[in-house]
Amino acid sequence: KQEVTQIPAALSVPEGENLVLNCSFTDSAIYNLQWFRQDPGKGLTSLLLIQSSQREQTSGRLNASLDKSSGRSTLYIAASQPGDSATYLCAVGPNFNKFYFGSGTKLNVKP
Amino acid sequence: EAQVTQNPRYLITVTGKKLTVTCSQNMNHEYMSWYRQDPGLGLRQIYYSMNVEVTDKGDVPEGYKVSRKEKRNFPLILESPSPNQTSLYFCASSLRGYNQPQHFGDGTRLSIL
Repeated sequence: KQEVTQIPAALSVPEGENLVLNCSFTDSAIYNLQWFRQDPGKGLTSLLLIQSSQREQTSGRLNASLDKSSGRSTLYIAASQPGDSATYLCAVGPNFNKFYFGSGTKLNVKP
Repeated sequence: EAQVTQNPRYLITVTGKKLTVTCSQNMNHEYMSWYRQDPGLGLRQIYYSMNVEVTDKGDVPEGYKVSRKEKRNFPLILESPSPNQTSLYFCASSLRGYNQPQHFGDGTRLSIL
């Protein structure tokens, strides 16, 4: 069974800093990997989706990379802002319709 | 506005009293899924549906039922709720599943006493 781990569980940085969130998974046979953002009391918002054939995806200040062979993905956030404060989750899709989530990294960006 | 709507948002009930959590999407998505979120365990998939009348088990289906009679609706049924089903539940949908991003509802917080 696929295990997804996110380290660290929490991260606090000053505004303006570039940062990297990590996601690792045990089974490299995946179809895609998604990064989500979760705000308190809200559902998840999809940030980036990387297909298994891709190495990275970019959206604005966000860049996600995927290394299937090593079972790792990173989410890079450039020039962090207080509005980026949220919990970030990654999810892997090992087959057509099942998804496995990590426990998330809670990010606090201090003004 | 494109959205996934869950009801109720909050519910406190007692063991054994059947309950249904509704989920509806207005995006004509084929794929829908239910998750539960527990501290330290992340989100775990309960059931998913690839299309009308097509459903399958996720990782933690025990104690739950689903149905998909219409494309837009995917209710989650707890026939005899127990305290270990106290959790935060999310419904999600996507156009066709694994290659499209999932859209999530705002969640339903269930407390089973």
